[in-house]
Amino acid sequence: QKEVEQNSGPLSVPEGAIASLNCTYSDRGSQSFFWYRQYSGKSPELIMSIYSNGDKEDGRFTAQLNKASQYVSLLIRDSQPSDSATYLCAVNGPNNNAGNMLTFGGGTRLMVKP
Amino acid sequence: DGGITQSPKYLFRKEGQNVTLSCEQNLNHDAMYWYRQDPGQGLRLIYYSQIVNDFQKGDIAEGYSVSREKKESFPLTVTSAQKNPTAFYLCASSIRVPFSGSTYNEQFFGPGTRLTVL
Repeated sequence: QKEVEQNSGPLSVPEGAIASLNCTYSDRGSQSFFWYRQYSGKSPELIMSIYSNGDKEDGRFTAQLNKASQYVSLLIRDSQPSDSATYLCAVNGPNNNAGNMLTFGGGTRLMVKP
Repeated sequence: DGGITQSPKYLFRKEGQNVTLSCEQNLNHDAMYWYRQDPGQGLRLIYYSQIVNDFQKGDIAEGYSVSREKKESFPLTVTSAQKNPTAFYLCASSIRVPFSGSTYNEQFFGPGTRLTVL
């Protein structure tokens, strides 16, 4: 059974600070990793994908992947109140004949205080 | 205007009724998915379809049914056999993204349907 674990939070950071969200996964063969942002009452929005070890930067967002330690993280620099949302980590396994399904973590709620 | 649409946005069902949730996409995506989200929880896969006229059960398919007669459409029926159907239902479709000699699926979600059993 694949598992994806996240701290449910809330993670509270002051405006302008760096928010760090973490995710661990159990399937060592997992190949692709995603971060979704979900505002209250809305559907998830894909904000980052990462497929190889290391860092991937996109604007204020940086995704970090460490396959050896089986964790993936999301850093949000210069956090803004508009970043307040739940962040879902999703993981896809290798050679997934079952339709490339994603396994989602429970999400981390981020609160950015003005 | 490309995207994934779901209707209705809100749906109320009486106990014992079957209801059908619509999901349409004009992105030319091959694969489509249905998830269920309960308050404060992550997403759980109900059904998925990789091509027209083919679909597979996900982790929580009991009490649900789907069809995939057209590439653009993947409706979900919540039957009376689903004992606890109140939830937020999300439809997604995926594209294949090339990276470093391989391809990976990236999933995108529709706006969702919130189903409440009265």
